[in-house]
Amino acid sequence: DADVTQTPRNRITKTGKRIMLECSQTKGHDRMYWYRQDPGLGLRLIYYSFDVKDINKGEISDGYSVSRQAQAKFSLSLESAIPNQTALYFCATSDVNRENTIYFGEGSWLTVV
Amino acid sequence: AQSVTQPDIHITVSEGASLELRCNYSYGATPYLFWYVQSPGQGLQLLLKYFSGDTLVQGIKGFEAEFKRSQSSFNLRKPSVHWSDAAEYFCAVGGPGGSYIPTFGRGTSLIVHP
Repeated sequence: DADVTQTPRNRITKTGKRIMLECSQTKGHDRMYWYRQDPGLGLRLIYYSFDVKDINKGEISDGYSVSRQAQAKFSLSLESAIPNQTALYFCATSDVNRENTIYFGEGSWLTVV
Repeated sequence: AQSVTQPDIHITVSEGASLELRCNYSYGATPYLFWYVQSPGQGLQLLLKYFSGDTLVQGIKGFEAEFKRSQSSFNLRKPSVHWSDAAEYFCAVGGPGGSYIPTFGRGTSLIVHP
């Protein structure tokens, strides 16, 4: 089983719908992240969390929200999806005591039509 | 602010040829440096990382990278490329301390010709 699990792996949704991407980890890491990947733009940080009571905006947080339900769970929500949010989304984790090496989930393909 | 530049968007090599992917970083102190590989339809896998010590680091799948402080570079190399190495490669820079989050480059796409 993967250490960082994302659900769903693929989702097609309509413009204006609310969609949630969920992430859970078994690595015991304190830090969790959501990234978005678009062709030619690399990985862009949406939100990150250093512990359960800590939530921080990344470089592209507009249109997104997150919830850290537990140390092992970090969900990303699109309150009202729009087509330019079509992308590949990655959840990731790191441990500050291990040089903050980032470990990624397998990604969630989201298409907004 | 820290940043990473991968100058090459695409690199094409023949199978069996050597490979070097370039990565330049900007960081105020000794950086933590990483290379990741993303195969088609997959997530990102850590290839190797540098924190301190020997500037030539070995990674998985026969890859190595060399940290050159004077050139602010951390180039990835492989002596003989296999067709299965075709993928997207990302360089990242981070640092010590609780507030640092690794910054990623835009990636280099490796194409391998038979």
